[in-house]
Formats: sequence, C-alpha cells, structure tokens
Amino acid sequence: AQSVSQHNHHVILSEAASLELGCNYSYGGTVNLFWYVQYPGQHLQLLLKYFSGDPLVKGIKGFEAEFIKSKFSFNLRKPSVQWSDTAEYFCAVNAMMDSSYKLIFGSGTRLLVRP
Amino acid sequence: AAGVIQSPRHLIKEKRETATLKCYPIPRHDTVYWYQQGPGQDPQFLISFYEKMQSDKGSIPDRFSAQQFSDYHSELNMSSLELGDSALYFCASSSPLASGGEEQFFGPGTRLTVL
Repeated sequence: AQSVSQHNHHVILSEAASLELGCNYSYGGTVNLFWYVQYPGQHLQLLLKYFSGDPLVKGIKGFEAEFIKSKFSFNLRKPSVQWSDTAEYFCAVNAMMDSSYKLIFGSGTRLLVRP
Repeated sequence: AAGVIQSPRHLIKEKRETATLKCYPIPRHDTVYWYQQGPGQDPQFLISFYEKMQSDKGSIPDRFSAQQFSDYHSELNMSSLELGDSALYFCASSSPLASGGEEQFFGPGTRLTVL
C-alpha cells in the first residue's frame, strides 16, 4: 500500500538552528508532493509543493524542500528557525490511484523551537 | 482570494446525538474531500465527491454519510455520535480542470467535541 513516512515525530531546536525534516513515500508512479504546517489549534496551511521541474522548491516563510526521485524523498529544510515556527509539519503525497487523486499524509512532525 | 468555508467552526454534542458539518468549496471547484484529524494524529481521508457523485471512500464509519449538492457544497452527517468522534474535521476542494486535481485547498476545519 502507498504510504508516507516522516521519520522524526518530535524535534526540538533552539532559535537560529537549521532544520531538516525527513519525508519518504512509497509509490512508483507520478506523484505530487506537499508540505503542510499546522500551528497550534489551527488548520492546515500549505508551505510548499512540488509538481514537476526544478526538484528544489521554495515555499513560504523561508522553507524549502528537495525532491530526490531516486530516494523517494521530499525533505523539508530551513536554514535558521524561529520561535514562531513551532508547529506540526505534515508531508503529503498526492497520486493518481484507481482513477482518482488520493492525498496521503505522513504522521506529522512536531517542532518545538526554544527562544 | 476566496477559500474553502466550513461551518460551524466549533460544535459540541452529547453522545448518541447527530451532527451536520457543512463545507463550501472554492468557487468553480467541483471536487470536495472530507478528512478527520483526531487529537495528535494525521488527517485521515473519509470520503470525496466529484460533480455531486461519490468519487472515493476512505475510513468513513457507517454512522456517517455525506453528499454534495447542486451548488457543490457538501454536508457530512454524523449520527449516534461517540466520544471517539471528537476530532477536527477538514474539508478540502479541488478542480481537475483548474489544477489537474493535484492540489487540494483546505478549509479551517470544524472542531467537534462529543461529551
């Protein structure tokens, strides 16, 4: 079955530290990849997405992600985190299955940034 | 730009009661998806509709039903509520014509609490 794996369930960083959150998926066909952020008590917001083209995509708030097809990975990075980045981050894969698009989420990574 | 609208934003019900959640997609979006996000969990796909017909079904309990109306808004009906139904219910919309169906736009969610 298709799945999305986020290796880090909880990450704690100090402000200005660099961030990398791992995401791997299992699906052999064409995929569209997303990272969503969910601030405490709020809804999902799109950080960035990859459909095609340059595998290094830049999103909002200084986030970027790199699609490595050979590794089935789409890791999220930010060079210097801020306290306001404290949130839960979800990787998601959208793929055509059984004639319809299915969006599958990873289990999420809770990021805590200490001031 | 117009976004996905969900109502109500918060709902408190007693066990065994019924609840109806509403979702108004982005204008000209014809596909609606429902997700359930339990406390500390990732969003789980429940059901989707395309052009008023059910297009896909996920882990939706038999106690729940949903439909999409002629104006493309959708309602999720939940009966015989259980404590475990307490969750954040997201609606998302997409348009195969506009974006090839690759991206789903999420609403703010309805937080259902069952007492």
